[in-house]
Parts: sequence; structure tokens; C-alpha cells
Amino acid sequence: QSVLTQPPSASGTPGQRVTISCSGSSSNIGSNYVYWYQQLPGTAPKLLIYRNNQRPSGVPDRFSGSKSGTSASLAISGLRSEDEADYYCAAWDDSLSASYVFGTGTKVTVL
Amino acid sequence: EVQLVESGGGLVQPGGSLRLSCAASGFTFSSYEMNWVRQAPGKGLEWVSYISSSGSTIYYADSVKGRFTISRDNAKNSLYLQMNSLRAEDTAVYYCARDFDTDYWGQGTLVTVSS
Repeated sequence: QSVLTQPPSASGTPGQRVTISCSGSSSNIGSNYVYWYQQLPGTAPKLLIYRNNQRPSGVPDRFSGSKSGTSASLAISGLRSEDEADYYCAAWDDSLSASYVFGTGTKVTVL
Repeated sequence: EVQLVESGGGLVQPGGSLRLSCAASGFTFSSYEMNWVRQAPGKGLEWVSYISSSGSTIYYADSVKGRFTISRDNAKNSLYLQMNSLRAEDTAVYYCARDFDTDYWGQGTLVTVSS
């Protein structure tokens, strides 16, 4: 059972800005970095954002991450059809023993 | 080029065992922590286990603690996941992944637990 909560779905038209939220707690987002992944059907996840707001080489600057307290968000600006995918937030959790927790996932649909 | 290639998946009966392997190449394997992550059919991502670069620090998800064992052989550039007492809910694609600050994942290997 995931401890990071995301909305199940989000949508937008091409060119719009879409934001996905990720709600956690003091033991995960509140005290550790947040990561964001994009997953297309049948493929391994792709890292979009690491350490809250850093983009790996090759990830377009249309993708941006932010964190405040025990919540984080991923923004996709200039939405494109190829952005239709599942998106997951993640963070290390320090409660009891260390664990890496993923969010519940958000399906982004480009209308 | 960094490559991670999983193997060892397949069909196993409930209560059975399976050993997954992840062959690493293109980087200094002994310098990096590694993880196993799984995804059940139609479900979200679930982290399974972590091992430090030397193997001295290991973590498990509560759902597999006591049943799964992660290990590595730095001389063979290989990561392993020994899975015992398998249950239907362990059915998933299992990915090996390097440290989460980078984007290196294998292609995944499917484990199906069914009678």
C-alpha cells in the first residue's frame, strides 16, 4: 500500500500545462528528495526528475518538479501527445526501516 | 553504454522459489548501489529491495521481508534476488535498477506465481 498519494488521472489539450500532485508525510517527502518517473505501456520507467527539481540529461525542460513541506508536484508545460503516459512520484521513507516508496500513479491523457 | 539485463523469471507454483539475476555492464558495478523494483500486471510500481555498493547495507519492503534475499557479486558484475515462499501476489515484472539518482533500468523479467 503506497504512502504517496497522487490523483488517478489528469488531462489536457496539446500546448496546455498539466500539474500532478504527490502527497506524503514527514518521513518521506518531508525529509527526503522526490523523484518523478514516466512510464509508457510495456516499458521500464523513465526518470524525469531527481532530487526534487533536477532533470537528467535529455529530459525536456517542459518537465519541472517542485517540493513544499510534505507535498511535491510535477508540471508538464506545452503538453504533447507523446506525454500521454503514467507518472509516478517516489521518495525514500525513513520510518522504521528505510524503504523507497512510489506514489499511486497518475494517468495523463492528452485530449 | 550502461546495460542491465535481468534473467531468471518464469512460472513457479505457490510456495516455490526462483532466483533472479541482473547482469550489469558499461559502468563500474562495484561503485553503485542497486535496487529491485516490481510491477504487478496492470498495477503501479513497487520497490522491493536495496543493496549498497559493498553489499553491507540491505533494505527490503515489508511485503517481501523474510522471504526474499538480495545479494551481489561485484567480481561478476551481477545482482541477484532469491525469492522463496512465493505467493500469487508476487506475480510481477521485476526490474533491476541502479541508484535512483540516475536512469538506468533493465528491461524486466516476468515472474508468474500460479498453480
